Amino acid sequence: GQQVMQIPQYQHVQEGEDFTTYCNSSTTLSNIQWYKQRPGGHPVFLIQLVKSGEVKKQKRLTFQFGEAKKNSSLHITATQTTDVGTYFCAASGSARQLTFGSGTQLTVLP
Amino acid sequence: DAGVIQSPRHEVTEMGQEVTLRCKPISGHNSLFWYRQTMMRGLELLIYFNNNVPIDDSGMPEDRFSAKMPNASFSTLKIQPSEPRDSAVYFCASSLALGANYGYTFGSGTRLTVV
Repeated sequence: GQQVMQIPQYQHVQEGEDFTTYCNSSTTLSNIQWYKQRPGGHPVFLIQLVKSGEVKKQKRLTFQFGEAKKNSSLHITATQTTDVGTYFCAASGSARQLTFGSGTQLTVLP
Repeated sequence: DAGVIQSPRHEVTEMGQEVTLRCKPISGHNSLFWYRQTMMRGLELLIYFNNNVPIDDSGMPEDRFSAKMPNASFSTLKIQPSEPRDSAVYFCASSLALGANYGYTFGSGTRLTVV
């Protein structure tokens, strides 16, 4: 499957600070998806990006797909304690199934 | 819809015993995936089915692992015999179809502990 590298592995932020996680691939991706997994929970689909340079927003979350379709980012503005969890990107190139990145574990300190 | 339903939620078993994990995908979803999650290896795809047919089982770690999907509403993942290193959370996920354009819906997982 498609390999995607995700950084950072861990991120601790103070409540109210911003947070960004990055997903990178050495090859062109057909699309990219983002998931959130709360502690003790299961991954939950957040969004899919398909077009080169695409930007989508969900409230305080901003998702971007790079122009070359080889990288993506998730940015959270003014984090809240409810944002705690692990954020995964998932991608497929020519394969038909998704490969998940290693995830970024976000801790929000009150 | 109740979502993807997995059972049991927790399983503790002794080494050497057979373990069967169960999954009911969302009705109308044609693709089903079995993942294993551990701290060391993250989310690993074990096997996936499309229209009840296994497509790729290259992620299955050993012959001790087997999976079936006898019909569109039921799948099992079996480990026989189980070993302590099989301890992990096993997730089942389903999607409308194969292909990159469909999000996956995950079940709540089965936390397996082999002692």
